[in-house]
Amino acid sequence: QKEVEQDPGPLSVPEGAIVSLNCTYSNSAFQYFMWYRQYSRKGPELLMYTYSSGNKEDGRFTAQVDKSSKYISLFIRDSQPSDSATYLCAIPADRGSTLGRLYFGRGTQLTVWP
Amino acid sequence: DTEVTQTPKHLVMGMTNKKSLKCEQHMGHRAMYWYKQKAKKPPELMFVYSYEKLSINESVPSRFSPECPNSSLLNLHLHALQPEDSALYLCASSEDQGSDYGYTFGSGTRLTVV
Repeated sequence: QKEVEQDPGPLSVPEGAIVSLNCTYSNSAFQYFMWYRQYSRKGPELLMYTYSSGNKEDGRFTAQVDKSSKYISLFIRDSQPSDSATYLCAIPADRGSTLGRLYFGRGTQLTVWP
Repeated sequence: DTEVTQTPKHLVMGMTNKKSLKCEQHMGHRAMYWYKQKAKKPPELMFVYSYEKLSINESVPSRFSPECPNSSLLNLHLHALQPEDSALYLCASSEDQGSDYGYTFGSGTRLTVV
């Protein structure tokens, strides 16, 4: 079983829609959770990180963690064509020989059309 | 300065060539990483440096040779590569190895081996 699972999509929505992106993970010891946005032919850009369970909001973006079900989500409100990108969830390994490794989901390709 | 700068942006090399990729950050981060990303796949960890010392080598073939001359610089020396090594090579940095507060990625070097 992979550490992080993510539906690769693709996901296509009209401008203004609410987008929900999701990942599941296997290790209940994970504490920190990240979302990266990657535009075509660019490096990943850190969008948000959260600690433990709960919600974190930043503008149109909300990250949500449910540790009881090992489920993390990213919501995008009022989506814009400029949000079209691949979104990757990532979880840092935080102990032992794996310290420093980021476990990535496969990435979900999002297209927001005008 | 909150960026990770990678040069060159594009590189085409023959299988007998020797080339180097360069990465630079001036955020005072003490951990630096090399990742490899194939099309429509998440980044895969190759090497981790912590305080200028190699901390993790993900069983990468010896034709890839990392070097960390100082705390701001990270190089990846390439020799006798194969066409299947063509990929986007990403450098990243973080405050410390395994930082929970996110990793900053560069825009990558798109490598083509012919």
